[in-house]
Amino acid sequence: GAGVSQSPRYKVTKRGQDVALRCDPISGHVSLYWYRQALGQGPEFLTYFNYEAQQDKSGLPNDRFSAERPEGSISTLTIQRTEQRDSAMYRCASSLSGRGETQYFGPGTRLLVL
Amino acid sequence: KQEVTQIPAALSVPEGENLVLNCSFTDSAIYNLQWFRQDPGKGLTSLLLIQSSQREQTSGRLNASLDKSSGRSTLYIAASQPGDSATYLCAVPDTGGFKTIFGAGTRLFVKA
Repeated sequence: GAGVSQSPRYKVTKRGQDVALRCDPISGHVSLYWYRQALGQGPEFLTYFNYEAQQDKSGLPNDRFSAERPEGSISTLTIQRTEQRDSAMYRCASSLSGRGETQYFGPGTRLLVL
Repeated sequence: KQEVTQIPAALSVPEGENLVLNCSFTDSAIYNLQWFRQDPGKGLTSLLLIQSSQREQTSGRLNASLDKSSGRSTLYIAASQPGDSATYLCAVPDTGGFKTIFGAGTRLFVKA
């Protein structure tokens, strides 16, 4: 079946612009995670959704970052007033239920802020 | 605060060699531990998931062990092949929340 998809795959934007990154999880997966990955490092947790409820947003670096999953399926990570330090790979993962389940990752969105 | 460390950071071995990748974590009260593979420019692929009540999991040439009391997990790769070249990451759920903590990974290169 279809895996986790993310769009766009690449995004180049100018400093100060807002960007929206989309994640389409595996159908039926309850849990959805957003991560940010710097080169040579493991993914860094940003936020977690159980259905439409955002149950953990402790990893969001500041209030310019927000995420939503209004219908418990597709999720959007929004970065407002982008800064160069926001440049990274943003990854989404989903799992069938909550903690203890295998996470399936999407291909990621490479964000470059000029 | 849970911290995950992977040693070595990089490893180069000749084809056919058996090898061990190490993962250590600071808080032993983990729910499970996952090993992932990441190919350059690609997403992460789950290899093995070990629940806290288990000591090991096997999939083909891969065997992952878990020793919660010592805060360690190892990934054993038998008869390595050039196609095994990738970065291998381990991850554990943070205690008390939904955060998943990843190590920085071990970059493996298997020479033909």
